[in-house]
Amino acid sequence: KNEVEQSPQNLTAQEGEFITINCSYSVGISALHWLQQHPGGGIVSLFMLSSGKKKHGRLIATINIQEKHSSLHITASHPRDSAVYICAVPPYNTDKLIFGTGTRLQVFP
Amino acid sequence: KAGVTQTPRYLIKTRGQQVTLSCSPISGHRSVSWYQQTPGQGLQFLFEYFSETQRNKGNFPGRFSGRQFSNSRSEMNVSTLELGDSALYLCASSQGGLAGTNEQFFGPGTRLTVL
Repeated sequence: KNEVEQSPQNLTAQEGEFITINCSYSVGISALHWLQQHPGGGIVSLFMLSSGKKKHGRLIATINIQEKHSSLHITASHPRDSAVYICAVPPYNTDKLIFGTGTRLQVFP
Repeated sequence: KAGVTQTPRYLIKTRGQQVTLSCSPISGHRSVSWYQQTPGQGLQFLFEYFSETQRNKGNFPGRFSGRQFSNSRSEMNVSTLELGDSALYLCASSQGGLAGTNEQFFGPGTRLTVL
């Protein structure tokens, strides 16, 4: 079993839909990262959070440390949101990031 | 501020050769991490440097090595290349402290193809 699991693996949506991507992990952590990777490879850090909720524009990330679960929500999705979304965690007392396998999102107009 | 830069962007090598990739972090960032991304294994942590010292290492063979210079620029080297080393190699920089608990800024990556 992978230490970081994401669901779904693939997601298609119509423009304007509300999107939820889930991330569960089995290791103890102090923070969780959400990353976005566009075709071509470039990775952008969306959020780093250790508790509660963070919002940036149409993106919202939540985390429940006790339940070892995080969600990334996209409100009013747009075709430019099409990308792979990856969650990553650094286990306690290490500086390594362990990555989920990613969720490939396609938003159609 | 300029972002993280990586050179070269694309590289083609043959089995048995060695390769050196370079990463220049954002000015003022002292931590540089390296990652390998392949279709089969996804993103995997290679190593992390802070102030010229390797702080963490992933589960990769000794053919993979790296170093960091006093200006925080970092290089990684892969010796005796194998076909399975074909991948996108990404570096990321952060301000300091533990890379895992600091926002990571990624470079565009170097796509290595081993023939």
